[in-house]
Amino acid sequence: DAGVIQSPRHEVTEMGQEVTLRCKPISGHDYLFWYRQTMMRGLELLIYFNNNVPIDDSGMPEDRFSAKMPNASFSTLKIQPSEPRDSAVYFCASSLIGNEKLFFGSGTQLSVL
Amino acid sequence: DAKTTQPTSMDCAEGRAANLPCNHSTISGNEYVYWYRQIHSQGPQYIIHGLKNNETNEMASLIITEDRKSSTLILPHATLRDTAVYYCIVRPSPLIQGAQKLVFGQGTRLTINP
Repeated sequence: DAGVIQSPRHEVTEMGQEVTLRCKPISGHDYLFWYRQTMMRGLELLIYFNNNVPIDDSGMPEDRFSAKMPNASFSTLKIQPSEPRDSAVYFCASSLIGNEKLFFGSGTQLSVL
Repeated sequence: DAKTTQPTSMDCAEGRAANLPCNHSTISGNEYVYWYRQIHSQGPQYIIHGLKNNETNEMASLIITEDRKSSTLILPHATLRDTAVYYCIVRPSPLIQGAQKLVFGQGTRLTINP
């Protein structure tokens, strides 16, 4: 298996632009997680899905952030409009129900200028 | 809400055992201790987990005190590739509804020196 695949690997955009981050979980996994990592705040859980349904979005910072999971093999995290303080590494992870391990992707390094 | 306390940083010589402590004095009876690590520029990676018995796998050993208020992750023969941030996390069994998420603290930055 190729593991959790995230794209793009790096994204540079200007303030006010829309940004879409993409994630393909490991096939067969039924949980998908979006995390954000910054130096100041560390790794923060933004939202997670179970069987494509959002379960807990309490970590989503504000209405500018939205996440979708239209099917079991694809999820997006959208920021509209983006701001410089959104600059961070965004990780996607997936897991199988009852399994102890979360498998993380390589992350998307987002820079908002 | 910080459920675990870890030293901010540690150093270890290559080839020696690295012992990473973690305090979790408020751990509940149904909560497990998990360890993940994050090598620079990569996503976190699962290492090991345990409930109350000591555990060992190909990566590390986990020693949990009898009162379960603290634990130690042991990397028996540390290599330069073990340089990473190590996170100690407590959470209920993932079989429990709503317990699937992992909440990360600040972790311990472990540096293996040649």
